[in-house]
Amino acid sequence: EPEVTQTPSHQVTQMGQEVILRCVPISNHLYFYWYRQILGQKVEFLVSFYNNEISEKSEIFDDQFSVERPDGSNFTLKIRSTKLEDSAMYFCASSEGGVNTEAFFGQGTRLTVV
Amino acid sequence: QKEVEQDPGPLSVPEGAIVSLNCTYSNSAFQYFMWYRQYSRKGPELLMYTYSSGNKEDGRFTAQVDKSSKYISLFIRDSQPSDSATYLCAMHTGNTPLVFGKGTRLSVIA
Repeated sequence: EPEVTQTPSHQVTQMGQEVILRCVPISNHLYFYWYRQILGQKVEFLVSFYNNEISEKSEIFDDQFSVERPDGSNFTLKIRSTKLEDSAMYFCASSEGGVNTEAFFGQGTRLTVV
Repeated sequence: QKEVEQDPGPLSVPEGAIVSLNCTYSNSAFQYFMWYRQYSRKGPELLMYTYSSGNKEDGRFTAQVDKSSKYISLFIRDSQPSDSATYLCAMHTGNTPLVFGKGTRLSVIA
């Protein structure tokens, strides 16, 4: 069964460092998303991406964050200068036809900023 | 009022019980409703996807949406220990991102 894959599963980084989280969406999907979940909190939307550009972003997705689809299969989230409060599970998701179709999530990357 | 409210539990039931999980919401523009299951430190796994009001059944799972009351439910029949997980409701308007509830932690005791 097709699935969204994310790497790494766990990333530890020092405050102020840049991190790149990687995702391979389901191959025939066209819409890609990043969500995050701080421990014990709700899953929160960060950004959606379609046709090689951001279609929507939340207040959380400030200038420290960027997304890219560097090739035909990968979708990345970059955090330029990590802060302690960026520690969370980051989930990539993809859907075939936009927000009104089912979104499938990856297993997540646990980011720990120390 | 929070946009999506969900009792975090924990909810503990014996194996074989019928489980009822619920969410309320405040935004009447929500039209698409989902239930995800999330095992510890894993990604949300889509269980049920419904549009507008009504019921949808898939095996042991039934999703109900009552838009007039802004209330959605997930029923699990013949619950199994493998159903132990956190259940997240999520919803959107059709052109906005998913909004999640906080999740209800369920334990099914053998």
